[in-house]
Amino acid sequence: DAGVTQSPTHLIKTRGQQVTLRCSPKSGHDTVSWYQQALGQGPQFIFQYYEEEERQRGNFPDRFSGHQFPNYSSELNVNALLLGDSALYLCASSLGQGIGEQFFGPGTRLTVL
Amino acid sequence: SQQGEEDPQALSIQEGENATMNCSYKTSINNLQWYRQNSGRGLVHLILIRSNEREKHSGRLRVTLDTSKKSSSLLITASRAADTASYFCATEPNTGNQFYFGTGTSLTVIP
Repeated sequence: DAGVTQSPTHLIKTRGQQVTLRCSPKSGHDTVSWYQQALGQGPQFIFQYYEEEERQRGNFPDRFSGHQFPNYSSELNVNALLLGDSALYLCASSLGQGIGEQFFGPGTRLTVL
Repeated sequence: SQQGEEDPQALSIQEGENATMNCSYKTSINNLQWYRQNSGRGLVHLILIRSNEREKHSGRLRVTLDTSKKSSSLLITASRAADTASYFCATEPNTGNQFYFGTGTSLTVIP
């Protein structure tokens, strides 16, 4: 039973570029949430996707967007990258709408130069 | 910010001792969860306690919840070196499907 997978593991971009991160949820899960974790901080909720729609959104600008596919996998897109976007991006999957026990992927480390 | 706060920020104990960390939050919640994170990688779910529960056990873990004080504590008994990690509390407010993590407690267990 595969857990949550994320790709890529590491990514280096320059300011102004765009990036796409990918997440495959745990088998049987239909909800994907994305988090940004800056160094030394707790994860910050970006948004949640359920039934291919964004259901909830945290306090992040429109530069952050996402998508969920029919197979429940998800992408996080960030446009016009800023230095402050450098962080660990975590994907978590769960079952059903709402927040219950979440299973996290290993994360994608994004560095913006 | 609705982010919770853990206390202490860092804790260092000897193997075999108990570790207690606390979490305070700001809004009414549906549930509170504790997670462990090793070396800045993915988080591992430890335990979920619902707003109508006061205490929950899982192996060497004991979690308490006081909704009147908007606080929770995580007790790890008979700690092991492998328990060395950062521990986060996370709350689901009863106003929506968001999820707020605390600032974390860094636990070091010395062999």
